[in-house]
Amino acid sequence: DAGVTQSPTHLIKTRGQQVTLRCSPKSGHDTVSWYQQALGQGPQFIFQYYEEEERQRGNFPDRFSGHQFPNYSSELNVNALLLGDSALYLCASSLYRGGGTEAFFGQGTRLTVV
Amino acid sequence: DAKTTQPPSMDCAEGRAANLPCNHSTISGNEYVYWYRQIHSQGPQYIIHGLKNNETNEMASLIITEDRKSSTLILPHATLRDTAVYYCIVRAFRYGQNFVFGPGTRLSVLP
Repeated sequence: DAGVTQSPTHLIKTRGQQVTLRCSPKSGHDTVSWYQQALGQGPQFIFQYYEEEERQRGNFPDRFSGHQFPNYSSELNVNALLLGDSALYLCASSLYRGGGTEAFFGQGTRLTVV
Repeated sequence: DAKTTQPPSMDCAEGRAANLPCNHSTISGNEYVYWYRQIHSQGPQYIIHGLKNNETNEMASLIITEDRKSSTLILPHATLRDTAVYYCIVRAFRYGQNFVFGPGTRLSVLP
């Protein structure tokens, strides 16, 4: 059973460009959450998708947007990239109605903005 | 969700038990305690979680005090591969509840 898979693993973009990151959740999970982790800090919640809708959002600007597909996979889009967007982007999958259960994280996409 | 407090760093000798403390004095009755760890540049790895009873799995044991205001993660025989940042997270039993990460404890297992 594959766990959470993210692609690509590494990415280098130029300031002002747009980027799309992808995530496939663990089999049986219906919810995907995205996190941003700057160097030396804990992951920060960006947003969560369930039933193809954004259900929760953290304190991130509208440049960050997402999508969830019918097969539960998800994309994170970041427009007008800034140098400060350089970070490890993590995807976590879980069960929306599994309030007492765990979430599983992918290995992340390392984004470098130059 | 209740906030957690963890020591910023700890050392442990290889082969000895590693005991990582976490304070969560404002925890509510419907909030679980979760532990994750993150080895350098990898995604966080789930370790264990519990509500009020002590829990044990193949990786670790979780001891929650009776008043639930603090907990301890125990790695019974630490190895060099257990060197990581350990996050204690309190998360409510609500649909779609996300995880709020603090800075965690950086555990160094020394040979």
